[in-house]
Amino acid sequence: QKEVEQNSGPLSVPEGAIASLNCTYSDRGSQSFFWYRQYSGKSPELIMFIYSNGDKEDGRFTAQLNKASQYVSLLIRDSQPSDSATYLCAVNLEYGNKLVFGAGTILRVKS
Amino acid sequence: DADVTQTPRNRITKTGKRIMLECSQTKGHDRMYWYRQDPGLGLRLIYYSFDVKDINKGEISDGYSVSRQAQAKFSLSLESAIPNQTALYFCATSDSSGTYYGYTFGSGTRLTVV
Repeated sequence: QKEVEQNSGPLSVPEGAIASLNCTYSDRGSQSFFWYRQYSGKSPELIMFIYSNGDKEDGRFTAQLNKASQYVSLLIRDSQPSDSATYLCAVNLEYGNKLVFGAGTILRVKS
Repeated sequence: DADVTQTPRNRITKTGKRIMLECSQTKGHDRMYWYRQDPGLGLRLIYYSFDVKDINKGEISDGYSVSRQAQAKFSLSLESAIPNQTALYFCATSDSSGTYYGYTFGSGTRLTVV
């Protein structure tokens, strides 16, 4: 089992819809969780982080964390074509004190 | 200027050649990391350093070496490049709370080994 798993996609949504991206992790002791956005050929850009169970909202983005079920999700409301990118989930595993990344989910927003 | 600078941006090299990728940062961070990215495999950690005297192997260190010349500089070397080292390489930095506030990435180096 990989430490951080994401559906590779592509996930296709129409413009204006809600995009839902999911991530599961194996280490129950993980404490912090991150979502990065990466455009093709560019570097990852941090868009959200969450530490506590529940929801965290920032503009059109909402991160959701459920530690009991070991999953974290990212919701993008009113999706725009400019949101088309690969979204990387990263988890700070309890051991090692460093981030582990999932393989990423490709999101395509169609106008 | 970028906070985390990687050089070169693109490089084509031949099998068996030695190549060095360089990373420098102006963020004052203690921690630096080298990742490679391959399609469908995400970011995989090659080496990381929590300070100048601390170097650690990541999950895919074979065939690579690193040097932390100063707090702000962290270089990655391929002693004898092989084609399956063709990838996009990223340097990243964080402070000691990096696992709570995330990493800052450089722009990447696209390396092709022919």
